[in-house]
Amino acid sequence: RKEVEQDPGPFNVPEGATVAFNCTYSNSASQSFFWYRQDCRKEPKLLMSVYSSGNEDGRFTAQLNRASQYISLLIRDSKLSDSATYLCVVRDQAGTALIFGKGTTLSVSS
Amino acid sequence: EAGVTQFPSHSVIEKGQTVTLRCDPISGHDNLYWYRRVMGKEIKFLLHFVKESKQDESGMPNNRFLAERTGGTYSTLKVQPAELEDSGVYFCASSQEAGPGNTIYFGEGSWLTVV
Repeated sequence: RKEVEQDPGPFNVPEGATVAFNCTYSNSASQSFFWYRQDCRKEPKLLMSVYSSGNEDGRFTAQLNRASQYISLLIRDSKLSDSATYLCVVRDQAGTALIFGKGTTLSVSS
Repeated sequence: EAGVTQFPSHSVIEKGQTVTLRCDPISGHDNLYWYRRVMGKEIKFLLHFVKESKQDESGMPNNRFLAERTGGTYSTLKVQPAELEDSGVYFCASSQEAGPGNTIYFGEGSWLTVV
């Protein structure tokens, strides 16, 4: 079983749509949780950290369920510029190495 | 402020040759990491330096890979001899502190193709 598993994608949505990505992680001792965004042939960039209480940053809402070992990302009112690969990332027990999912590709069309 | 910079951005070498990738972390970041993504796989951790010391090298695939960070500033990752399966993108990253609360910043990667 992979340490971090994500929806396979790709997700193809029209502008203005709401899209949700899901992710599960296997190590219950994982310390912290993130969503990264990666554009084609670019580096991963931190989109947002994910907290148990849920957190929102503009059109983006992230949620963590520790009991189910489940992480989600909701994007509302999708923009063309949201097209990218979204990586679910977990920090290991020691709190240093990042463990990545394979990513889910989002394509927003006009 | 300059971000994490990597060199070369692209490299094509023949199987059996040697390649050395360089990473300059963000100034003042003691923590430096190497990650890589090979075709069809997720990004995977290779190793972690704190200043010049290897803190964790559990992700290094085999002894063909050698990472150094002499002087605790820039780092190099040497692959010798390169094999076809080493093709992929090698990301360097840095952070000011280690531990859960610290953001890790990535470079744009060094794309390696072994033919």
